[in-house]
Amino acid sequence: DAKTTQPTSMDCAEGRAANLPCNHSTISGNEYVYWYRQIHSQGPQYIIHGLKNNETNEMASLIITEDRKSSTLILPHATLRDTAVYYCIVRVAFAPDAGNMLTFGGGTRLMVKP
Amino acid sequence: SAVISQKPSRDICQRGTSLTIQCQVDSQVTMMFWYRQQPGQSLTLIATANQGSEATYESGFVIDKFPISRPNLTFSTLTVSNMSPEDSSIYLCSAIIRTGNTEAFFGQGTRLTVV
Repeated sequence: DAKTTQPTSMDCAEGRAANLPCNHSTISGNEYVYWYRQIHSQGPQYIIHGLKNNETNEMASLIITEDRKSSTLILPHATLRDTAVYYCIVRVAFAPDAGNMLTFGGGTRLMVKP
Repeated sequence: SAVISQKPSRDICQRGTSLTIQCQVDSQVTMMFWYRQQPGQSLTLIATANQGSEATYESGFVIDKFPISRPNLTFSTLTVSNMSPEDSSIYLCSAIIRTGNTEAFFGQGTRLTVV
């Protein structure tokens, strides 16, 4: 799986949009971009994933550049409960055989402040 | 979606003893995994729990230290054997409930402290 680079930490004001960048310059054509987050004392939680088109769900939006070498996770109206470590992971689609584990990097520690 | 329950949620153990962590999923899953998260660190994969056969371990992890069972599609155990203070970590169970391009789910973790 391709390696990702994320800022170590970011701050965001409550109610504002949080934009979390991720660089994945070695991403392969068949690799997806996944985002997970880990709130303190909990297990990681899936947020969103995409291949090349921008994606949106009830939690966030994912913007992937045209060359797919970077992406941005957007939390449109951050709340205090969004304070967490956010992990950007690139990997191929899950398949019936082996190789379906997730490889976690250091992630970005997002602090939402009142 | 899937709900993954881990037991115990936390424990304090004496060095040299062993602890078995249980992971139960509320739906049939295709794959189950065990991760370790050392204090202040990211998650590291220990092994893939294979149903009815030996687990597949990642580099740096061995069966004698971390024996894993998966007797059926929804249940797995991880044992941390002959514990030392360096084993103090959070241990997390993860599962994928179907194949295809889908997300993995995680339990809340077991916080282990070895004294």
